[in-house]
Amino acid sequence: DTAVSQTPKYLVTQMGNDKSIKCEQNLGHDTMYWYKQDSKKFLKIMFSYNNKELIINETVPNRFSPKSPDKAHLNLHINSLELGDSAVYFCASSQEYSLNTEAFFGQGTRLTVV
Amino acid sequence: GNSVTQMEGPVTLSEEAFLTINCTYTATGYPSLFWYVQYPGEGLQLLLKATKADDKGSNKGFEATYRKETTSFHLEKGSVQVSDSAVYFCAAGDNFNKFYFGSGTKLNVKP
Repeated sequence: DTAVSQTPKYLVTQMGNDKSIKCEQNLGHDTMYWYKQDSKKFLKIMFSYNNKELIINETVPNRFSPKSPDKAHLNLHINSLELGDSAVYFCASSQEYSLNTEAFFGQGTRLTVV
Repeated sequence: GNSVTQMEGPVTLSEEAFLTINCTYTATGYPSLFWYVQYPGEGLQLLLKATKADDKGSNKGFEATYRKETTSFHLEKGSVQVSDSAVYFCAAGDNFNKFYFGSGTKLNVKP
């Protein structure tokens, strides 16, 4: 059983298109995240949701809109894709508000905008 | 704000060599500290963690000790294997569930 699963694993699309990445966790966690990893492997947090509520929004363009239909799902929708959006996007989850918790990551979605 | 700094790679070692990857953090309060490993084409996996000062995290021969006085959490392994080749991330987590990652250090182990 995959703890944090995201789809698709690869996504190639043209500039200007709108696309979505889906994420689901079966760990019963309250908090979910989206991270962006650039070509130099640097990981930057984009969003964090706790029980379907937005907690962290780190200066991400408005073209990126997370949606959490329930606490087990956090989807990422991207409008008007740009070349600079090409990256690997990771979904993650963790237990709520505990220092003794770690983040569990999905396998990543490699987005290529052409 | 909180941040994590780790040594830049790539680090290239021969099999059975000793590994150290340095990591320091800045934080308000006392964060939990983590090392994650990312194998090619995969997501990040937790390697080890420590939640308070002087705690030592260990797993698969890797160790790191939470040093409050030097705000460090250096990763060490006494004898690396080719299968340890990966990118290693140091991270700090605060009690608001925010995780701060270092820039990653790529390790290449040659036979």
